[in-house]
Amino acid sequence: QKEVEQDPGPLSVPEGAIVSLNCTYSNSAFQYFMWYRQYSRKGPELLMYTYSSGNKEDGRFTAQVDKSSKYISLFIRDSQPSDSATYLCAMSAFQGGSEKLVFGKGTKLTVNP
Amino acid sequence: DAMVIQNPRYQVTQFGKPVTLSCSQTLNHNVMYWYQQKSSQAPKLLFHYYDKDFNNEADTPDNFQSRRPNTSFCFLDIRSPGLGDAAMYLCATSSQGSQYFGPGTRLLVL
Repeated sequence: QKEVEQDPGPLSVPEGAIVSLNCTYSNSAFQYFMWYRQYSRKGPELLMYTYSSGNKEDGRFTAQVDKSSKYISLFIRDSQPSDSATYLCAMSAFQGGSEKLVFGKGTKLTVNP
Repeated sequence: DAMVIQNPRYQVTQFGKPVTLSCSQTLNHNVMYWYQQKSSQAPKLLFHYYDKDFNNEADTPDNFQSRRPNTSFCFLDIRSPGLGDAAMYLCATSSQGSQYFGPGTRLLVL
C-alpha cells in the first residue's frame, strides 16, 4: 500500500459545481496536511495547510482532515474555469529536524465554462 | 516579495553534457529541497538540506549532485544527463511543516 493514495482523475465539472478532491494515507505519523494547485508547466502553489482534524476554510476552498480515518479532502465551491489545474495532496512528518513531504499523484481538474 | 526563485526557467542540454540548475530563496528558511517531476506524476524528492546537512534519497541516481553554499542558494548538478532526466526540476523551502515551491526549471535533453 502506498503511503498516500489520490485518485488521478481526470475530473471534469461544469462551472459553478462543487468539487470534492480526496486523499487517503496510511502513515499515522503524518502531522501536516497540504493541498497544492499546479497549473500546467508551473511549480506547485500552496493552497491550504492544516495540522489538525477538522475543517479549514479560505474563500471558496475548504480543507478537511479526518485523522481517525486517515482521510483528507479539498472542497471547491462555485468552481471557476480558472480552477482548472492539477491538485496535489501532500503530507509530512518531522524526520531528523526537517519535514519530508509525501505527495499524492495529483488529480487533474477541468472546469468547463 | 519573499519567494523561491529558479533559474533558468528552461534549460536545453545535450546528452551527456553537464548542467547546473540554480535556486535561491528570500524566505530565510533552513530547509531546502530538490524535486524531479515528470509529466502527470507527483514530484519526486531527490535531496534535501537542513541548514548545511545534506540528505539524499536512497533512489536518487549518482548522476545527480547538489550544493548549498549558503542559506539562500542551492544548486542541482546533473553530471551526465540522459534522455530519461528530461523533467521539471522543482526547488522548495519549508517552514513549520509547509513547503513553498519555486516555478521550476524545465530540462530538455537532446
